[in-house]
Amino acid sequence: GENVEQHPSTLSVQEGDSAVIKCTYSDSASNYFPWYKQELGKGPQLIIDIRSNVGEKKDQRIAVTLNKTAKHFSLHITETQPEDSAVYFCAASRGGYQKVTFGTGTKLQVIP
Amino acid sequence: GAVVSQHPSRVICKSGTSVKIECRSLDFQATTMFWYRQFPKQSLMLMATSNEGSKATYEQGVEKDKFLINHASLTLSTLTVTSAHPEDSSFYICSASNPPGGNQPQHFGDGTRLSIL
Repeated sequence: GENVEQHPSTLSVQEGDSAVIKCTYSDSASNYFPWYKQELGKGPQLIIDIRSNVGEKKDQRIAVTLNKTAKHFSLHITETQPEDSAVYFCAASRGGYQKVTFGTGTKLQVIP
Repeated sequence: GAVVSQHPSRVICKSGTSVKIECRSLDFQATTMFWYRQFPKQSLMLMATSNEGSKATYEQGVEKDKFLINHASLTLSTLTVTSAHPEDSSFYICSASNPPGGNQPQHFGDGTRLSIL
């Protein structure tokens, strides 16, 4: 089955700096890579996703990159704000009805 | 707004009690829903895939007789933790895709915090 590794497990940045979270996956058939933000006591919220036919996608301060050959994908958050503090999960899926395999999570702390 | 609603948000009960958790897709039909379990400071682990009108598919190591799943309608899936014990205490989260089929993202409910005394 799919195995998703995520690094780092914790990340502290100063407000305004950038944050980068990296993930690797093992299943070459995975073609859909969502990123979720989870705040304390809540379910994960989709913040951005990328499909295997795209190498990069950007939405305001958030961008994701995908390297299919290396089976790497990354989340980049620029101009971080205190409200970006949360746990972030990468995930991989074969798409559609297929189950999503989550990474181990990164706790991001943005220091004001 | 939320596209998946989960109820209750929190349950505290005695050991041996059976607990039912509901997951509803709002304003869309979900033939497939997923149930996850999350321990503190850990990732989400898929427990089972809930299929409308048929039996759920359980992940390896998940006891199907312990965690009963019913997906009787296109907008509702339920997870029943039978004869719950303290080790079943966890955060249970469901998800569904909108609309079903194709490469559509899953949307998650806000989870149910289950505490067994």
